[in-house]
Amino acid sequence: EVQLVESGGGLIQPGGSLRLSCAASGLTVSSNYMSWVRQALKKGLEWVSIIRSDGSTKYADSVKGRFTISRDNSKNTVYLQMNSLRDEDTAVYFCARAASAGTVWGTWGQGTLVTVSS
Amino acid sequence: DIQMTQSPSSLSASVGDRVTITCRASQNISRYLNWYQQTPGKAPELLIYGTSNLQSGVPSRFSGSGSGTDFTLTISSLQPEDFATYYCQQSYSTPTFGQGTKVEIK
Repeated sequence: EVQLVESGGGLIQPGGSLRLSCAASGLTVSSNYMSWVRQALKKGLEWVSIIRSDGSTKYADSVKGRFTISRDNSKNTVYLQMNSLRDEDTAVYFCARAASAGTVWGTWGQGTLVTVSS
Repeated sequence: DIQMTQSPSSLSASVGDRVTITCRASQNISRYLNWYQQTPGKAPELLIYGTSNLQSGVPSRFSGSGSGTDFTLTISSLQPEDFATYYCQQSYSTPTFGQGTKVEIK
């Protein structure tokens, strides 16, 4: 069974840092296009970042320069390092796998909540 | 970025109704349009990709159509489990979502 499990969310003060993890089973992260998508409370969905199978990465303008996506192939895990956090980064962060190369997400994790507040 | 606009933002319908949701892109996205369903507290689930291709396991009462800038999601006969929020998403360029359409029980 293909499964994505996020962890690492929590309460953090503005300006702080947090690292989210997405542990995969039933698929190999290094062979897939893996993304982070976030959803502010009772709001819509916003794509955050992608790491492609070739290791290249891309970010939404709203997080560029502050967030870094990476992966550990030996742990089959994708990470999102979030620095200089702002109130507007408060959201549930989902890890998602593209159904094929690209940004059509057929597999999602359950999400992890990040709350940025003083 | 390409802006995606859904209408309506919400609708009330009864079991058995035919429901149509529209999604408009701010520029031509060919057929790179996908639809997701989300229920409260859950992750989105892919319903339709590439405008009209049904994801495996999705009931045939769901269908999609369109091209260019205008797209529709149709539920032919609404079932109790279909009451949810639906999002369109373009995968033509940097991905963006519509604001969502909440389908509620009348």
